[in-house]
Parts: sequence; C-alpha cells; structure tokens
Amino acid sequence: GQQLNQSPQSMFIQEGEDVSMNCTSSSIFNTWLWYKQDPGEGPVLLIALYKAGELTSNGRLTAQFGITRKDSFLNISASIPSDVGIYFCAGHYPGTYKYIFGTGTRLKVLA
Amino acid sequence: NAGVTQTPKFRILKIGQSMTLQCAQDMNHNYMYWYRQDPGMGLKLIYYSVGAGITDKGEVPNGYNVSRSTTEDFPLRLELAAPSQTSVYFCATSDRGLSEAFFGQGTRLTVV
Repeated sequence: GQQLNQSPQSMFIQEGEDVSMNCTSSSIFNTWLWYKQDPGEGPVLLIALYKAGELTSNGRLTAQFGITRKDSFLNISASIPSDVGIYFCAGHYPGTYKYIFGTGTRLKVLA
Repeated sequence: NAGVTQTPKFRILKIGQSMTLQCAQDMNHNYMYWYRQDPGMGLKLIYYSVGAGITDKGEVPNGYNVSRSTTEDFPLRLELAAPSQTSVYFCATSDRGLSEAFFGQGTRLTVV
C-alpha cells in the first residue's frame, strides 16, 4: 500500500537548536498536514498546506509543500523543551477523503 | 464544549470477545474517522464517514465495523477480538475533510 517515508525517525537536539524533518511519497498529494502528538494524547494539527510550493509558518514552525507535490518539510526554529513529542506528516489522496500518515519523527530536546 | 470524546480510555479484552469503541463529537462536523496507532508507528485509517448514513473503508478495515446513524456519533465495533487488534484507537472529526481535524484522546485496547 501507499507509504509515507518520514525522516529522521528520531532526533536528540540541544535547546535552542533548529530542527528539520521531511516526508516523501511515491504519489502526488493535494494537501499536506503536519501534526504533533504528546504522550497519551491525540495528534494536534500544526500546519496545513494546500498548494505546491506553499510556505506557511505557525510561530517558530515553518512548513513547505514541495514543488513536485510528493514531499513536504517542517522546520522548528530555536527549539524549547515543550517541543518534545512525535511529529507526523499526513498526505491527502486526491479525489478522496483519505489521508495517510507518516511513521513519525520523535523529537527530544535536551535542556 | 467537549470536542471529541472517546470512551473507554482503556480496555482489556480476551480473544474472541467483542466490544464497541465510542466516539462522540459536539462540533457538528460532517467528517469522522477512525484510526489505529500501533507502537512506534503512524496512524492507519480504519473507516471513515462523510455524513450520517455514509461510511467507507480505509486502509485496514478487516475485523471492524462502523455505523453512523447521527452526526454526533461514530462507534467502532470489534466483533471477534484478536491480539493483532491491540493498539491505540483514535477518532477524529472535521468539517471539511482532514484539513482541520480534531482528534480524541484515544482508546488503548489490549487483546490477550
């Protein structure tokens, strides 16, 4: 079945560092979403992207919809301890209401 | 305003037992989804609904059933529980596809 390759799988960074993660797909998507999941909680939407090339920010977070429509990137600037969690990308199948999720990037921030 | 409420939060089932996972929303959203999350993995779509009376299969529907008789509720039924169904189940809702989806807190199910 369709898979989203998300990398890196995990990251240990120092507080204040910038973080980059990405998702790639073998299919073209119409929408890319980025979620964060805290332990024991459901995912929370961070950023939604709707057009190829779109660059959208949400505070210290910036995400981009790749030009090929097969990838997306999420950057976190000046990381803080509360950035710890699992970050998921999700892609939207064109013409359907189905989204598939990446396997997640586990972020740990060392103070 | 509760948002998306899932019950129960935790459950242990024996192989072959059945149960229903409840999902209720008070946001009047048309779209509702059931996902499962296995340890260390992303979310896989089980079933979804675009409105009352309309449901469709996702990526991993085998062993599950759903119904959508009202806008507010979208229960997920496991008829014959198997160890492979041990997972965390998330319900999500949205008023226009998954662009602004709201997830419940999850139901942690263990089948032994």
